[in-house]
Amino acid sequence: DGGITQSPKYLFRKEGQNVTLSCEQNLNHDAMYWYRQDPGQGLRLIYYSQIVNDFQKGDIAEGYSVSREKKESFPLTVTSAQKNPTAFYLCASSIAAAWGAEAFFGQGTRLTVV
Amino acid sequence: GNSVTQMEGPVTLSEEAFLTINCTYTATGYPSLFWYVQYPGEGLQLLLKATKADDKGSNKGFEATYRKETTSFHLEKGSVQVSDSAVYFCALLITQGGSEKLVFGKGTKLTVNP
Repeated sequence: DGGITQSPKYLFRKEGQNVTLSCEQNLNHDAMYWYRQDPGQGLRLIYYSQIVNDFQKGDIAEGYSVSREKKESFPLTVTSAQKNPTAFYLCASSIAAAWGAEAFFGQGTRLTVV
Repeated sequence: GNSVTQMEGPVTLSEEAFLTINCTYTATGYPSLFWYVQYPGEGLQLLLKATKADDKGSNKGFEATYRKETTSFHLEKGSVQVSDSAVYFCALLITQGGSEKLVFGKGTKLTVNP
């Protein structure tokens, strides 16, 4: 089945540690996105990528980093510089340059930093 | 800049009531517009979309019309069910600097009581 997979679903880390969230898709989509969801804040864009080896900062990129070495994969690293990393993280993908193309979302990763 | 404003929730209705969730947008250019739905603990799913002015998106009894003159994309359903309880997000897709960017509103939580 084609889809987008985030792992793990729940992740716990100690304060000051970097942590990497996985996002894989087998939809052959060019565009991939990372969002952060907090209660009452909706979805805020962290990073997005339209093609391999290229990505752009979203609205809240500070304290995060990404890579896009393969079309299928867009991992997000939450660094120790992120002041408030506890949140629900959502990855999405879509066909780039296709007018009105919908985004497909993973099931999300809930990160808790203690 | 590009942004989406949707009515704040939570919204609580009785089964078979009429639903309206307001959404307005600000965008440079001509965005595509979407409504996504999120059930508890899950990622987002596309509910409906419209790609140009006066288009009407519809799915599962929900409808929304792309109104360019009022920059709006209000979600409506004539008779809600308990199973419609979820968080609803309005979003726009805009091409910016050669990249496509998906921008979300803050979400509106809907609870439908039997």
